[in-house]
Amino acid sequence: DSGVTQTPKHLITATGQRVTLRCSPRSGDLSVYWYQQSLDQGLQFLIQYYNGEERAKGNILERFSAQQFPDLHSELNLSSLELGDSALYFCASSVDPAQGVNTEAFFGQGTRLTVV
Amino acid sequence: DAKTTQPPSMDCAEGRAANLPCNHSTISGNEYVYWYRQIHSQGPQYIIHGLKNNETNEMASLIITEDRKSSTLILPHATLRDTAVYYCIVSRNDMRFGAGTRLTVKP
Repeated sequence: DSGVTQTPKHLITATGQRVTLRCSPRSGDLSVYWYQQSLDQGLQFLIQYYNGEERAKGNILERFSAQQFPDLHSELNLSSLELGDSALYFCASSVDPAQGVNTEAFFGQGTRLTVV
Repeated sequence: DAKTTQPPSMDCAEGRAANLPCNHSTISGNEYVYWYRQIHSQGPQYIIHGLKNNETNEMASLIITEDRKSSTLILPHATLRDTAVYYCIVSRNDMRFGAGTRLTVKP
């Protein structure tokens, strides 16, 4: 158990709909990362937050957005869903105690999103 | 962040050492080298990281060349459960994964 909790584990929804994925980081971790992994593909970095602020942005579509709340949990919002958005979505967290100093990240078990 | 180059696949015999190379020729002075692995569709698992010295933990050893342009992850006695995709990342801040190396440990 990595200590990172993602909910829900599975989600099935229709095209055009909107969903919210939730991530609770490990206790004490300030930084949260989101990734998308389509079937048999690599991990695509979406976005990173540190202590509530966006720190880095990757290949995140405009239909997707994320935020990190004061209690440090994070949500990834996916809207106007398309069939191609079906994927595993992973969240990771790390301590990141000082700007520019990184530590190892711990991953949740992912949310499997199926768009039908 | 610097990019990395890894072989797409490798095989290793069970019980033998698995040596996974990674090239990161554009690494900058404050970037760490991290290794993760992903078994099937599970969440990636942290293995080890280092800046410039060699590192060892209960899972693996990390050898970083003196010029820091490449590194090798060593699994000293590979088991079937070590079959996974191994990712090398160099990072100061965000973590962007490449395609990794698919290691297959064979009986």
